[in-house]
Amino acid sequence: GAVVSQHPSRVICKSGTSVKIECRSLDFQATTMFWYRQFPKQSLMLMATSNEGSKATYEQGVEKDKFLINHASLTLSTLTVTSAHPEDSSFYICSAPPPGGRGYTFGSGTRLTVV
Amino acid sequence: DAKTTQPPSMDCAEGRAANLPCNHSTISGNEYVYWYRQIHSQGPQYIIHGLKNNETNEMASLIITEDRKSSTLILPHATLRDTAVYYCIVRFSTGANSKLTFGKGITLSVRP
Repeated sequence: GAVVSQHPSRVICKSGTSVKIECRSLDFQATTMFWYRQFPKQSLMLMATSNEGSKATYEQGVEKDKFLINHASLTLSTLTVTSAHPEDSSFYICSAPPPGGRGYTFGSGTRLTVV
Repeated sequence: DAKTTQPPSMDCAEGRAANLPCNHSTISGNEYVYWYRQIHSQGPQYIIHGLKNNETNEMASLIITEDRKSSTLILPHATLRDTAVYYCIVRFSTGANSKLTFGKGITLSVRP
């Protein structure tokens, strides 16, 4: 149980285009989801907290107009990287806290390459 | 949340126990110790967590010192598939809205 599905696993896009990444909780409801970014050989950096039915909360230094987050239902959060540039190339990972107080469940990640 | 300190790397032989240390000297009384791991190019995976008592599950054991200022994650019989970055995280609660902040972690290399 407590599975988070993330799609796509890999995406290559042209500079200036937008890319949407989906994160779904498959067998539980998640009012809150978290989005992370990870550059090579670095740790995960929290980008934003996605809240169902309300605005996302962004970490300091993360551009909310560039990284659009929508949490339209209790099982789906999306991250849209708008006007992507090569420096946005990274590994994006979502996470959700399952019920029961265990550790958070993470998606398998999305490798974004902007060319 | 309290800061944690982990060595950057360690290795162990396959089949042996891997003991991964973590210091959290500023931990407060209601903060939990969590361990996650991240295998290369995958999302992190929850391993175990504890507050005061030692904990054991199907993946690992967590030993927390009596003063709670440090802990050790034990993988009893390490396999090659346990090669990963292991993160020790201290946070206030198991609440759903509580952020999870990752440090640099410790890279465990299991050798044949």
